[in-house]
Amino acid sequence: AQSVTQLGSHVSVSEGALVLLRCNYSSSVPPYLFWYVQYPNQGLQLLLKYTTGATLVKGINGFEAEFKKSETSFHLTKPSAHMSDAAEYFCAVSYTGTASKLTFGTGTRLQVTL
Amino acid sequence: DAGVIQSPRHEVTEMGQEVTLRCKPISGHDYLFWYRQTMMRGLELLIYFNNNVPIDDSGMPEDRFSAKMPNASFSTLKIQPSEPRDSAVYFCASSRSGVPSGANVLTFGAGSRLTVL
Repeated sequence: AQSVTQLGSHVSVSEGALVLLRCNYSSSVPPYLFWYVQYPNQGLQLLLKYTTGATLVKGINGFEAEFKKSETSFHLTKPSAHMSDAAEYFCAVSYTGTASKLTFGTGTRLQVTL
Repeated sequence: DAGVIQSPRHEVTEMGQEVTLRCKPISGHDYLFWYRQTMMRGLELLIYFNNNVPIDDSGMPEDRFSAKMPNASFSTLKIQPSEPRDSAVYFCASSRSGVPSGANVLTFGAGSRLTVL
């Protein structure tokens, strides 16, 4: 069975600082990996995804993530945090044959301070 | 496109009452998903449909929950009778078939916040 683990339910960074949100996955077959963001009182929206090919994936709002098979990780980064980045971030995994069934992590709430 | 539309946005009801949540997916999307979000359990997939056919309902908590998709533009999630532990935010999401297969990108609605007293 596939699963994702997000380390740290809350992360706080200063505006302008590096954002690093951690995600590790467990899958017996090559995974498809996603990061979604949820702003207060809204649904989730896609930040970026990895399926095949280049392991460094760029998404919206300056975020990127790198698929590292040897570490079974897909950490999300942004070089410089902005106040508008404050939200909850979810890592998710699926793989071919799951008929599109996404499994989400428990989420990491990002706080950005002045 | 108006996106995925859910109604009601908020519902407060008393234990034992029937609750019906509604979803209009994005036109042209052939997958529809119902998720539940709580602080304790996070995001849980309840059921999903492909071309209006239920594919996997293994996440439906119990027989009190049922979901239908009578056509490509409408789905309902019904709870009868409702209980306080059903209080949560229920999300509907839709997607096209993924490329590659299994890599669907979901578009979520804004959610329906249910409170059962």
